[in-house]
Amino acid sequence: DAKTTQPTSMDCAEGRAANLPCNHSTISGNEYVYWYRQIHSQGPQYIIHGLKNNETNEMASLIITEDRKSSTLILPHATLRDTAVYYCIVSGSARQLTFGSGTQLTVLP
Amino acid sequence: DTEVTQTPKHLVMGMTNKKSLKCEQHMGHRAMYWYKQKAKKPPELMFVYSYEKLSINESVPSRFSPECPNSSLLNLHLHALQPEDSALYLCASSQDLPWSGANVLTFGAGSRLTVL
Repeated sequence: DAKTTQPTSMDCAEGRAANLPCNHSTISGNEYVYWYRQIHSQGPQYIIHGLKNNETNEMASLIITEDRKSSTLILPHATLRDTAVYYCIVSGSARQLTFGSGTQLTVLP
Repeated sequence: DTEVTQTPKHLVMGMTNKKSLKCEQHMGHRAMYWYKQKAKKPPELMFVYSYEKLSINESVPSRFSPECPNSSLLNLHLHALQPEDSALYLCASSQDLPWSGANVLTFGAGSRLTVL
């Protein structure tokens, strides 16, 4: 079961891009990278996922390195409402979504 | 309907009580999950149901008893809990089965349980 390593906390200025890194050096070929976030005392919210290629949706972009050992979630224009704990999760057919410690992102005015 | 609905939002119970948490989804999802989250910790997987059958039990104590009466409903029956069981209990569902590869979960807002 691949594990992930994320910084404990990060700050970002409102309106700037937030770049959240994640290391997953033991990821296997059929495992996806998922990002969820959890705003205080709410349920986790799905953001984006990918396997090999970079992905973009209305919320964020996901950049996965060519060796797939790390990835970066990009929130292009962070707002105060993006303040949350961001979880990077690696999961595939053999294992369910197991949350790591996550990164507390604080968007500053 | 794109939501997972959990009731009650808050529950306070004594150690001798029997209570239940309820989770409902009407998205036609085939898998449903229970997670437990302690304060300032990440969610921990408890149970997974696929096609209304229990497929994963993460060694959860028997005082927690899950039930999936139909494809839209998931219950968690609580009996003889301990104060350390106080936590946020999260329900989730997914269209895809847990072992199908890409598997996006939709979470409910959670039920906050306090055991006195």
